[in-house]
Amino acid sequence: DVKVTQSSRYLVKRTGEKVFLECVQDMDHENMFWYRQDPGLGLRLIYFSYDVKMKEKGDIPEGYSVSREKKERFSLILESASTNQTSMYLCASSLGLAGGEETQYFGPGTRLLVL
Amino acid sequence: QKEVEQDPGPLSVPEGAIVSLNCTYSNSAFQYFMWYRQYSRKGPELLMYTYSSGNKEDGRFTAQVDKSSKYISLFIRDSQPSDSATYLCAIRTMDSNYQLIWGAGTKLIIKP
Repeated sequence: DVKVTQSSRYLVKRTGEKVFLECVQDMDHENMFWYRQDPGLGLRLIYFSYDVKMKEKGDIPEGYSVSREKKERFSLILESASTNQTSMYLCASSLGLAGGEETQYFGPGTRLLVL
Repeated sequence: QKEVEQDPGPLSVPEGAIVSLNCTYSNSAFQYFMWYRQYSRKGPELLMYTYSSGNKEDGRFTAQVDKSSKYISLFIRDSQPSDSATYLCAIRTMDSNYQLIWGAGTKLIIKP
């Protein structure tokens, strides 16, 4: 089974802090994703990575950056946390992008509270 | 107008009932339709995947796509309390390569 793990289930941070969220997948997937999930808004893509050191902006990249130094690990960085970044953050991975390989496998999520 | 609309619920039904969950979409170029299930405090997991119009059945679950109406449905037969979860639809075009458009999710409660 594909396993996607996230470093923390719950985090509480102060406004202005730099926050690191880590995600690791164990199935040698090429693609990794970071989403945030807010009530009534569904999942919104923050960043996508299709290879080591490669990334694409999603719908809401402002205030976030990402790092993918190893294939299995994808980090989301909040450079200076703000209260409007309080949310559930979900990491996902997929083997491919088409032909039935685009199924995304999700981690359990990190619930971030910024005070 | 959102590209994908989904009633957030909650939808509460008795055990054994047939459940119908729906999404409407606005972009006629959408070709791939997915249903994900998300249990409380967990990440979403793929439940059903369909391409273009028609029905697809998997056990108690049936996914239906009506492209003429831009309407997709997920039916659950003989619903069980373990089906209680949030159900999200996700849609993409043939050439979007990675970008899924997500519904907001419908919370389903199956009462024993």
